[in-house]
Amino acid sequence: GDSVTQMEGPVTLSEEAFLTINCTYTATGYPSLFWYVQYPGEGLQLLLKATKADDKGSNKGFEATYRKETTSFHLEKGSVQVSDSAVYFCALSDPGGADGLTFGKGTHLIIQP
Amino acid sequence: DVKVTQSSRYLVKRTGEKVFLECVQDMDHENMFWYRQDPGLGLRLIYFSYDVKMKEKGDIPEGYSVSREKKERFSLILESASTNQTSMYLCASSLSGGRTDTQYFGPGTRLTVL
Repeated sequence: GDSVTQMEGPVTLSEEAFLTINCTYTATGYPSLFWYVQYPGEGLQLLLKATKADDKGSNKGFEATYRKETTSFHLEKGSVQVSDSAVYFCALSDPGGADGLTFGKGTHLIIQP
Repeated sequence: DVKVTQSSRYLVKRTGEKVFLECVQDMDHENMFWYRQDPGLGLRLIYFSYDVKMKEKGDIPEGYSVSREKKERFSLILESASTNQTSMYLCASSLSGGRTDTQYFGPGTRLTVL
């Protein structure tokens, strides 16, 4: 079946550091790929998505590129802020579209001032 | 903006009780989903629905049922709550279920079963 693997953390960085959170996937067909973010005490919010190979999703300074050849969708940000502290989830959609998303286990990111 | 609301943020129930978790979306979305979130396990799909009165099992449906009598409302039912159902429950909706669709999540209900 489909699966998503991401580093679990916690990942602790200093403010203004460069961030990479790795995400790799296994899927049949051509899924769409998503990054969701969960701030403390809240539900999940879509951060960015990419729907086909070589697409780059971007939002709030975060970027991720859909790499079909390496089955990866790594999340990057050039300079993190304390407000970026949250749990980040990588997810993929069923290529048929009808089912729910398949999520990774989440990466807890802590940014220290 | 899409809004997905859940009836309670926190809920405490006793073993054996029947529990209803309610979810309402206000954007006329076709698809609705229930997930549970547990530390170290991420989110796992319990049930989903792609139309009124339609339901499909997800990855972990055992111990749960659902009801969708109206398009905007999707209920998760624990027929006889057990301690291993203590978890965060997240509801989501999406427009039409296409593979590129974004799912919009509610704030979650943290359920504790004693």
